[in-house]
Amino acid sequence: GAGVSQSPSNKVTEKGKDVELRCDPISGHTALYWYRQRLGQGLEFLIYFQGNSAPDKSGLPSDRFSAERTGESVSTLTIQRTQQEDSAVYLCASSLGTSGRTISYEQYFGPGTRLTVT
Amino acid sequence: GIQVEQSPPDLILQEGANSTLRCNFSDSVNNLQWFHQNPWGQLINLFYIPSGTKQNGRLSATTVATERYSLLYISSSQTTDSGVYFCAVAKEGDMRFGAGTRLTVKP
Repeated sequence: GAGVSQSPSNKVTEKGKDVELRCDPISGHTALYWYRQRLGQGLEFLIYFQGNSAPDKSGLPSDRFSAERTGESVSTLTIQRTQQEDSAVYLCASSLGTSGRTISYEQYFGPGTRLTVT
Repeated sequence: GIQVEQSPPDLILQEGANSTLRCNFSDSVNNLQWFHQNPWGQLINLFYIPSGTKQNGRLSATTVATERYSLLYISSSQTTDSGVYFCAVAKEGDMRFGAGTRLTVKP
């Protein structure tokens, strides 16, 4: 079936504007993850959903960041009042599911959204 | 939180050479994955290997969970193997990535 898809693929926004990034996981995958990758760096974990719930939001960089998931499917990551430091590639992944708070399934990544804040 | 260290940070090989990439982690984990990030930024799953040994073509991986390390072997390297290799581990609820090994294979 189809893999993880993300939209838009590229987003250029002005400092101070809000942006919404979308992730469509693999059908049937109950767990969904958001990561951020700054240029030349590794991946930074932001948040994950088991179903529509996010057990741990402590990875979100600031209160300008929020995420939601509906219907155990699509997820949106919203960044309010964007700053230049938010410029990065935002990657989404999904997996079959978790047991309690333990991730025990292989993650599959989408192509990412490249966000540039000018 | 759990720490993940990868070595070497950079590796340059001649086509056809073999290499070993290492991933050390600081705590027991329930999951470990190796990824290849190609020059276009796409993360490709290589192995899901919280323990044991797996092989896929020219690539193989071994995780010794009790000693908290994993190794990725690349044999007969090709120029298309170039890119960054990431190790990622999960204990509970979040996956932590190492800083990666940047591999360049020269023709």
